[in-house]
Amino acid sequence: DTGVSQNPRHKITKRGQNVTFRCDPISEHNRLYWYRQTLGQGPEFLTYFQNEAQLEKSRLLSDRFSAERPKGSFSTLEIQRTEQGDSAMYLCASSPPVRAGEKLFFGSGTQLSVL
Amino acid sequence: AQTVTQSQPEMSVQEAETVTLSCTYDTSENNYYLFWYKQPPSRQMILVIRQEAYKQQNATENRFSVNFQKAAKSFSLKISDSQLGDTAMYFCAFMNNQGGKLIFGQGTELSVKP
Repeated sequence: DTGVSQNPRHKITKRGQNVTFRCDPISEHNRLYWYRQTLGQGPEFLTYFQNEAQLEKSRLLSDRFSAERPKGSFSTLEIQRTEQGDSAMYLCASSPPVRAGEKLFFGSGTQLSVL
Repeated sequence: AQTVTQSQPEMSVQEAETVTLSCTYDTSENNYYLFWYKQPPSRQMILVIRQEAYKQQNATENRFSVNFQKAAKSFSLKISDSQLGDTAMYFCAFMNNQGGKLIFGQGTELSVKP
């Protein structure tokens, strides 16, 4: 069990640029989640996948955000035309294919700073 | 829609003492799951304890226990014999019976003082 891996750990970009983050879940975890967390707040749900299917998207996920999980393994989160308000920690989590109520395993996050 | 509220932004406790963190939630469902996660300065979210709503018995994990009051929709976390390593943000979270996403509260920043 190598844990949930997120890359990069930190990303600094200029407003208007596109950025892409990667998440590698724990192997054999079929559910994968993306959250956004600003300083001093709780994580806000963005979207989640079961295998390669994107099952739910938050209204927070504007048209500039897109997430993929093409082979049901790793996932990418892309933000187009970044804005300063996108500055946050982006957390990925995964959970195993068992009954409801299983805990989520979180990665260490990608800290995005938009200048 | 479900909501989770933590009304204590900050709390502090002396080492070896006991502290209770509050959490309330709102849902119309009967079966669901509740969690407490800890987020130290490293920002890694770590599960502290989990409660299944259909179980009346309060969950315990070593020094951590919960007081689950289903009718009041209250889910508080008690930390006994507080240790310096307990210093962290603590988040209460809700998951419905279909599984899927966790809904988090705003968090309580706990400081354990020597």
